[in-house]
Amino acid sequence: NAGVMQNPRHLVRRRGQEARLRCSPMKGHSHVYWYRQLPEEGLKFMVYLQKENIIDESGMPKERFSAEFPKEGPSILRIQQVVRGDSAAYFCASSSLGAGPRSYEQYFGPGTRLTVT
Amino acid sequence: AQTVTQSQPEMSVQEAETVTLSCTYDTSESDYYLFWYKQPPSRQMILVIRQEAYKQQNATENRFSVNFQKAAKSFSLKISDSQLGDAAMYFCAYKKQGGSEKLVFGKGTKLTVNP
Repeated sequence: NAGVMQNPRHLVRRRGQEARLRCSPMKGHSHVYWYRQLPEEGLKFMVYLQKENIIDESGMPKERFSAEFPKEGPSILRIQQVVRGDSAAYFCASSSLGAGPRSYEQYFGPGTRLTVT
Repeated sequence: AQTVTQSQPEMSVQEAETVTLSCTYDTSESDYYLFWYKQPPSRQMILVIRQEAYKQQNATENRFSVNFQKAAKSFSLKISDSQLGDAAMYFCAYKKQGGSEKLVFGKGTKLTVNP
């Protein structure tokens, strides 16, 4: 059973460009979460999505950031017009939230490290 | 809003010894989950141990155990027989039961294991 997959693992963008980060959840998981980790910090929640729905985006910056989880394909976190302050590690996690034990647990991908030059 | 506090930015332990990492949290909820995640230099987040708040018994996973004090809102991690591979950042995390499923993380404790 493949784990959570994220790509690319490393992404370099110049200021003003767009960054697209992809996340494929674990097989059987339909709930995706995005977190951001700034240097020397813990992870901060950004957004929680189910297929075709944004459930909670309370951690998303109001501008330039968007996320989607289409019916088919991976979840995408998009950052438009990147700035140096967007440099961070972005983690995706998934869960099943089914009826089974520990279905509430979130499993993390390896992260995408975004560097804005 | 829920908050998680890890008061030890760094800790060190001798190989084969025992170390305890501290975590406190603030919540008005009665039902929730608590977790410890390990982040080695690879940056992969690895779930170490979890605790359901309604369970009084402390969780144990091999060399890892917790001391869960619900009234004190304390959730410490004990690592026994420390190994070099235990060196990593350790993050304490809280999740409310039901509703939004987001994890709230502490700032982490960097654990060094000395040979």
